[in-house]
Amino acid sequence: NAGVTQTPKFQVLKTGQSMTLQCAQDMNHEYMSWYRQDPGMGLRLIHYSVGAGITDQGEVPNGYNVSRSTTEDFPLRLLSAAPSQTSVYFCASFGTAPPRSTGELFFGEGSRLTVL
Amino acid sequence: EDKVVQSPLSLVVHEGDTVTLNCSYEVTNFRSLLWYKQEKKAPTFLFMLTSSGIEKKSGRLSSILDKKELSSILNITATQTGDSAIYLCAVGETSYDKVIFGPGTSLSVIP
Repeated sequence: NAGVTQTPKFQVLKTGQSMTLQCAQDMNHEYMSWYRQDPGMGLRLIHYSVGAGITDQGEVPNGYNVSRSTTEDFPLRLLSAAPSQTSVYFCASFGTAPPRSTGELFFGEGSRLTVL
Repeated sequence: EDKVVQSPLSLVVHEGDTVTLNCSYEVTNFRSLLWYKQEKKAPTFLFMLTSSGIEKKSGRLSSILDKKELSSILNITATQTGDSAIYLCAVGETSYDKVIFGPGTSLSVIP
């Protein structure tokens, strides 16, 4: 089982460049989300989705776009990267369909992004 | 605004000590409270709590929820160096629309 797959694992960008972090899950989970993690800040929710075609903003959405055209994929786009977006990004998914989930968010391995 | 607070933010203990980590929350429609352990990579799931007063245990770790006080504690007994990690508390809303994390408690266990 692949679970949640994130790519790339590492990326260096220059200020103003754009890029997309990819996230895919093969568990048929309805809920998918993107978090960023900075030292001492825990995980902060960027955007989330409760199903294909439905997305919503989290705690820190500015500078990021998402779309959910399929159940499996939830890409995160940085349109014009800024140094403040240097962080580790985690994609996570959660299923609510029977058999009832334990409540566990399944995480990808993370993507470390540096913006110079 | 939904909020999850953890204390202490960092803690250093000796092997064999018992530690208690705290989590409090303010969310609009509480559904569940989740504890995760994070070492070098992605967080790993420890517990999900939905009902007050029912303790969940896994080995030396245990956790309990107090919905009246809007809080939870995570206890680790007889700590080992392998328990060194960041412990994250998260709260899920009723419809699972959002899962919000606290800042984490960084635990260091020294021999």
